[in-house]
Amino acid sequence: SQQGEEDPQALSIQEGENATMNCSYKTSINNLQWYRQNSGRGLVHLILIRSNEREKHSGRLRVTLDTSKKSRSLLITASRAADTASYFCATVAGRAGNNRKLIWGLGTSLAVNP
Amino acid sequence: GAGVSQSPRYKVAKRGQDVALRCDPISGHVSLFWYQQALGQGPEFLTYFQNEAQLDKSGLPSDRFFAERPEGSVSTLKIQRTQQEDSAVYLCASSSRDYNEQFFGPGTRLTVL
Repeated sequence: SQQGEEDPQALSIQEGENATMNCSYKTSINNLQWYRQNSGRGLVHLILIRSNEREKHSGRLRVTLDTSKKSRSLLITASRAADTASYFCATVAGRAGNNRKLIWGLGTSLAVNP
Repeated sequence: GAGVSQSPRYKVAKRGQDVALRCDPISGHVSLFWYQQALGQGPEFLTYFQNEAQLDKSGLPSDRFFAERPEGSVSTLKIQRTQQEDSAVYLCASSSRDYNEQFFGPGTRLTVL
């Protein structure tokens, strides 16, 4: 029943490299959120981008919008070993502005090698 | 301040047992969500409360699953007559009324033998 798809499903890079993950939905997206989940730990909110925003930055994170592909990408610059985790995109089902359930993608497993 | 807490962190149940999972949301957060996460998968929505009202329970997989939040704060997810397919991590999240960011607890890992 998940509606989002992350691409790639697994990514392995060297420390210092950039990591790009894409999130695609078949339908229009309201706000899009990215979360990180470390092994054995809970989900942590990273960044939220609204449907009327094309790009958003937060520290080493950058989210961009490609309206033609109905996708948004998450870029982590200058990656560190501590960035090793699973990354999930999620969008709000229901009207924007109201708290509603999140529809999740399958996640990208990122490994950053020292 | 304190984040979302869940208890127990781990629960092993024999098939057919009833279990109760507790969630303490961030104080003052109006919205509370329960998700189920299978190994290697993303979370799947189970149910959603706004204060004490359960506004959406469309994700509950069967009538063996029941959730409540009687005073609009602490919530309990109950699973009756557990089955092996119920084995998963159960995540609770809360959010304030005005924002869509959800704050997650550490989860309860349920293993049904």
